[in-house]
Amino acid sequence: EAGVAQSPRYKIIEKRQSVAFWCNPISGHATLYWYQQILGQGPKLLIQFQNNGVVDDSQLPKDRFSAERLKGVDSTLKIQPAKLEDSAVYLCASSLVWDTGELFFGEGSRLTVL
Amino acid sequence: QQQVKQSPQSLIVQKGGISIINCAYENTAFDYFPWYQQFPGKGPALLIAIRPDVSEKKEGRFTISFNKSAKQFSLHIMDSQPGDSATYFCAASRESSNTGKLIFGQGTTLQVKP
Repeated sequence: EAGVAQSPRYKIIEKRQSVAFWCNPISGHATLYWYQQILGQGPKLLIQFQNNGVVDDSQLPKDRFSAERLKGVDSTLKIQPAKLEDSAVYLCASSLVWDTGELFFGEGSRLTVL
Repeated sequence: QQQVKQSPQSLIVQKGGISIINCAYENTAFDYFPWYQQFPGKGPALLIAIRPDVSEKKEGRFTISFNKSAKQFSLHIMDSQPGDSATYFCAASRESSNTGKLIFGQGTTLQVKP
């Protein structure tokens, strides 16, 4: 079974530029999550989708971050404009249903903002 | 009340020794407590999980001990091996809520010396 796919793996941009990350969850997984992991910290949830609807985006900085999940499968996370403090690994995860803690993570997209 | 506090931040253990990582939580509504293991450059992967109806769960060399009254839980790695060297995250969630939102601890970097 294929795992959660993410791209790009690495991205370096200047502050105020924009960037987009893509995620393809495990086939059949209804719930998709985007987490932000700053170096030396645990992952922090940015947004949770159930199929193509948003369940929780309370910690998403909506003035600069946006995310969508088209047709309830792939998802894109966008940052515009980027700030220095956005440097982090952006992890996508999926789960079969919303009420299980078993999340399957991708390898992440590492963003460096200069 | 949403925090999960993890200690120690780093841990060095000799091969064959016991590694112990502790976590504490405040929100008594949490009802699912997983541990995730993360290797460099990879996403976190579920290692073992416990629910509050039991005080201990063992899977191979890995054991979770859970103390509901103290709001604490810990991970014990018996006969630690160099291959166990990784970052470990405890987490907690409310499976009974309408989101499976996992709150992660800060992480513990474990190094097992040969």
